[in-house]
Amino acid sequence: QVQLVESGGGVVQPGRSLRLSCAASGFNFSNYGMHWVRQAPGKGPEWVAVIWYDGSNKYYADSVKGRFTISRDNSKNTLYLQMNSLRAEDTAVYYCTRAHPRIRDLDYWGQGTLVTVSS
Amino acid sequence: DVVMTQSPLSLPVTLGQPASISCRSSQSLVYSDGNTYLNWFQQRPGQSPRRLIYKVSNCDSGVPDRFSGSGSGTDFTLKISRVEAEDVGVYYCMQGTHWPPSFGQGTKLEIK
Repeated sequence: QVQLVESGGGVVQPGRSLRLSCAASGFNFSNYGMHWVRQAPGKGPEWVAVIWYDGSNKYYADSVKGRFTISRDNSKNTLYLQMNSLRAEDTAVYYCTRAHPRIRDLDYWGQGTLVTVSS
Repeated sequence: DVVMTQSPLSLPVTLGQPASISCRSSQSLVYSDGNTYLNWFQQRPGQSPRRLIYKVSNCDSGVPDRFSGSGSGTDFTLKISRVEAEDVGVYYCMQGTHWPPSFGQGTKLEIK
């Protein structure tokens, strides 16, 4: 069965960096585009970034462009989100999600990892 | 960016009764390939979102057949034919046609 397991969240000071990971299993990871979506406490989901199955294309939300970088290692079945210059408004649960059947359809979501940006 | 507007935001329903959630987009969601990338998600308390419906009306595997999606262009609807206790949670529509993808504010379904 499809499993997505995020890790790397925690409490970090404003301006610092954090790298999230998402370990995928139960499907052929290298055949699927992947997204990061975040959800601030008590709010709805907000799309963050997408990467094509082979890493050839990447897109970002304006709110994170220039600060966050999405990447993947298909040999390790792992998706990453490098987050730099973190702000209080980046505080959220971060989910990795699989794109299926097309890059514009999000199907499976992980359990999420909480990132708290606070001094 | 495309704005997704859901109504109602709160939906109290009696067990066994039908429920309907509306989602409107600020632009047409028909993509150049002819598909309409409108998804519906359910988020039960304390859980991750789960997709119920993709491309307006396609039900995901394992989703009870009491859930159905319909609509076109800018107006979409999620219907539950007979609400059960396990349907409590927040429902979100999401468009993937235009970058960036965007979500509705959510509709909280509760049992009356």
